[in-house]
Amino acid sequence: EDQVTQSPEALRLQEGESSSLNCSYTVSGLRGLFWYRQDPGKGPEFLFTLYSAGEEKEKERLKATLTKKESFLHITAPKPEDSATYLCAVRTSGGYNKLIFGAGTRLAVHP
Amino acid sequence: GAVVSQHPSWVICKSGTSVKIECRSLDFQATTMFWYRQFPKQSLMLMATSNEGSKATYEQGVEKDKFLINHASLTLSTLTVTSAHPEDSSFYICSARGDYLSYEQYFGPGTRLTVT
Repeated sequence: EDQVTQSPEALRLQEGESSSLNCSYTVSGLRGLFWYRQDPGKGPEFLFTLYSAGEEKEKERLKATLTKKESFLHITAPKPEDSATYLCAVRTSGGYNKLIFGAGTRLAVHP
Repeated sequence: GAVVSQHPSWVICKSGTSVKIECRSLDFQATTMFWYRQFPKQSLMLMATSNEGSKATYEQGVEKDKFLINHASLTLSTLTVTSAHPEDSSFYICSARGDYLSYEQYFGPGTRLTVT
């Protein structure tokens, strides 16, 4: 069965304290890994898509990387406005258009 | 680009009534739309996938007669919760994918449904 596991479940950082969020997956044929940011009471906001091991993408303080079994979302020098839940999702060869979401990591950045 | 809207943003209804939620892609044609529900502090659970002009494909365990989905045009999908009960109270989110967007899904802002 295809599975996506995110860790940690919650993370508290001081402003400027860099860290990484993990998304590990066990799927039958990865056809894309997606990172989203979700603020409370809102829909997820698209951040990145990664397709192959070794691929990296960056946007402001965020950098996403992909290996054959996991993805990392690195947050460099975070600010309080980076506080949100970060969701990881995968598209598999057997799932056509569907995305399988992990449970998310709740990030809180304190000044 | 790739903006998706939902209406209403929140709704309160009485048990036994039906509620319709609209999902629109504002600046692209959505060949496929998805409906999710999300419980507090939980991740998104896919309810159904719909392609324009065809019947929706429901996930296992989702009652198709209770959650009616219509994708009548390339920019509009609707979810109707029929004979709503308190256990249907949840956060409903739609997403859309257009061919040119590859496989990214772009999400609407969500609709908070409370059934009293």
